[in-house]
Amino acid sequence: GAGVSQSPSNKVTEKGKDVELRCDPISGHTALYWYRQSLGQGLEFLIYFQGNSAPDKSGLPSDRFSAERTGGSVSTLTIQRTQQEDSAVYLCASSLDSYTQYFGPGTRLTVL
Amino acid sequence: GESVGLHLPTLSVQEGDNSIINCAYSNSASDYFIWYKQESGKGPQFIIDIRSNMDKRQGQRVTVLLNKTVKHLSLQIAATQPGDSAVYFCAERGSGNTPLVFGKGTRLSVIA
Repeated sequence: GAGVSQSPSNKVTEKGKDVELRCDPISGHTALYWYRQSLGQGLEFLIYFQGNSAPDKSGLPSDRFSAERTGGSVSTLTIQRTQQEDSAVYLCASSLDSYTQYFGPGTRLTVL
Repeated sequence: GESVGLHLPTLSVQEGDNSIINCAYSNSASDYFIWYKQESGKGPQFIIDIRSNMDKRQGQRVTVLLNKTVKHLSLQIAATQPGDSAVYFCAERGSGNTPLVFGKGTRLSVIA
């Protein structure tokens, strides 16, 4: 079946602009996660959605970052007033049971 | 704070040899552990997982060992192949519905 998909695959933006990154999870998966991966680094947790519960936003680095999940499926990560330090690969994962997470290919964000 | 880390950042092995990638964790309450493989330009790919009530689990050419006494996790790859070259991440999940915490990764290079 279809895996997790993310769009765009690459995004280049200018400092100060807003960006939206999209994640389509595996159909039926109730949990959705966003992570950030800087070059050569591990994965940094950003935010977690589980069903209809309030999201766990404890990993968001600043109030410029926000995410929503509409209809329990598609999620959008928004970064406002982007900074150069926001440049990274943004990875989305979904899970059926809050254990095994399946990742998408990521969106590579470059802030000039 | 709690952390997951790796003993060796890089590992080079001859094709056909067995590989062992190690990981230390510090959260004694973690109840679930997972290994991912990440190839260049791709999202992490699930390899194998293990719950804290087990000490060994085998998959196809891979084995995960969990030693809760010393908080150590390892991934063994049998008959390593060039296609195994990638960065390998371990991750742990604390008790309850909490996000995975990832280590920084080990790069495995297979020498033909």
